[in-house]
Amino acid sequence: LAKTTQPISMDSYEGQEVNITCSHNNIATNDYITWYQQFPSQGPRFIIQGYKTKVTNEVASLFIPADRKSSTLSLPRVSLSDTAVYYCLVAPGSARQLTFGSGTQLTVLP
Amino acid sequence: EPEVTQTPSHQVTQMGQEVILRCVPISNHLYFYWYRQILGQKVEFLVSFYNNEISEKSEIFDDQFSVERPDGSNFTLKIRSTKLEDSAMYFCASSESRGGTDTQYFGPGTRLTVL
Repeated sequence: LAKTTQPISMDSYEGQEVNITCSHNNIATNDYITWYQQFPSQGPRFIIQGYKTKVTNEVASLFIPADRKSSTLSLPRVSLSDTAVYYCLVAPGSARQLTFGSGTQLTVLP
Repeated sequence: EPEVTQTPSHQVTQMGQEVILRCVPISNHLYFYWYRQILGQKVEFLVSFYNNEISEKSEIFDDQFSVERPDGSNFTLKIRSTKLEDSAMYFCASSESRGGTDTQYFGPGTRLTVL
């Protein structure tokens, strides 16, 4: 399993763009990068998944450089309700056993 | 948008008692999972279930735990004789398993408190 490293915490202000970077130096050829969001006492919520280059959906963008050794989750114009823990997971696309790390605690300030 | 549901939201039990946590996965999904998260700790995988049998399980999922799909919609986790250390949030998840990437969608969780 590829080990991931992401910041323990980040602060931002409402309306700003937030970028959370995850390092995964030993990512395997068949691994995908998936980001989840978790609010206190709630289940992880899928945000976005990608394999290479850039993926965008209605919630976020995911930037993956050519070497795939890192990835950046970009949240445009965050609000207070985006305060949550964000997890970067690297695993084969059909992985059954997801391994969550400690994630990044994002705090959005008014 | 379809979602995974779980009941109850909070379960309090005495040590040694049996508990059953219930989940209704997303209707066209074929793979089902249980995870747990002890307060302040990481989300941990317990078990995955496909085609009416366990496909993977972690070391946590010992003989005290069992899973079942009793009908076409429910998926249950049973803890036979609860211990204090079983106190945690338990999350059910499901995925489509149609090949390629297979995103897991999580339910809101059941908070289990063992006294």
